[in-house]
Amino acid sequence: DIQMTQSPSSLSASVGDRVTITCRASQGISNSLAWYQQKPGKAPKLLLYAASRLESGVPSRFSGSGSGTDYTLTISSLQPEDFATYYCQQYYSTPQTFGQGTKVEIK
Amino acid sequence: EVQLVQSGAEVKKPGESLKISCKGSGYSFTSYWIGWVRQMPGKGLEWMGIIYPGDSDTRYSPSFQGQVTISADKSISTAYLQWSSLKASDTAMYYCARHERVGRNQNWFDPWGQGTLVTVSS
Repeated sequence: DIQMTQSPSSLSASVGDRVTITCRASQGISNSLAWYQQKPGKAPKLLLYAASRLESGVPSRFSGSGSGTDYTLTISSLQPEDFATYYCQQYYSTPQTFGQGTKVEIK
Repeated sequence: EVQLVQSGAEVKKPGESLKISCKGSGYSFTSYWIGWVRQMPGKGLEWMGIIYPGDSDTRYSPSFQGQVTISADKSISTAYLQWSSLKASDTAMYYCARHERVGRNQNWFDPWGQGTLVTVSS
């Protein structure tokens, strides 16, 4: 199985801050990476796929980058509605696997 | 509109069996992989397995192989997750989710069902 390691596991930030979350795969995944946002009591919501492609309707302050084993989700200017938990997921091979999540909290 | 609607919350005792469902609508049910994802209380997302309803090709995570069964009835556009003997540690929210892109290639999940809460307690 491909292991996905997210960091940090949590962070505190203020509205307007730039936030970066990292996801590292245990082997190369050829940009086969998605990012999801989950709010309490809700199903996850797709933000990006193919490492850097923004899902329709997702604000442009979200962006993704990376290659090989290392990938990044960036929120350019954190908004109140962005406080949530974020997960990466590799779909390069089955079993697909998620990172352990990064909780973004209000400072 | 593409939708996945899951069955309602369940409360079961250890040792009991259970089958929860996920009904797809608004798309060709047989042409997209559907998967199941577990979220234990206060924890992260765990990929359990996926099924391609067109031919019932099923893939499991090793962590869940032998512990659950994933199936689908394409005549009623419904996928299932079932247990033969529940344990307290099966208490969790279970989400179904569809691959966003049509066909057999692996891809990401979108949309998701609303989740089914399974509580196992004596």
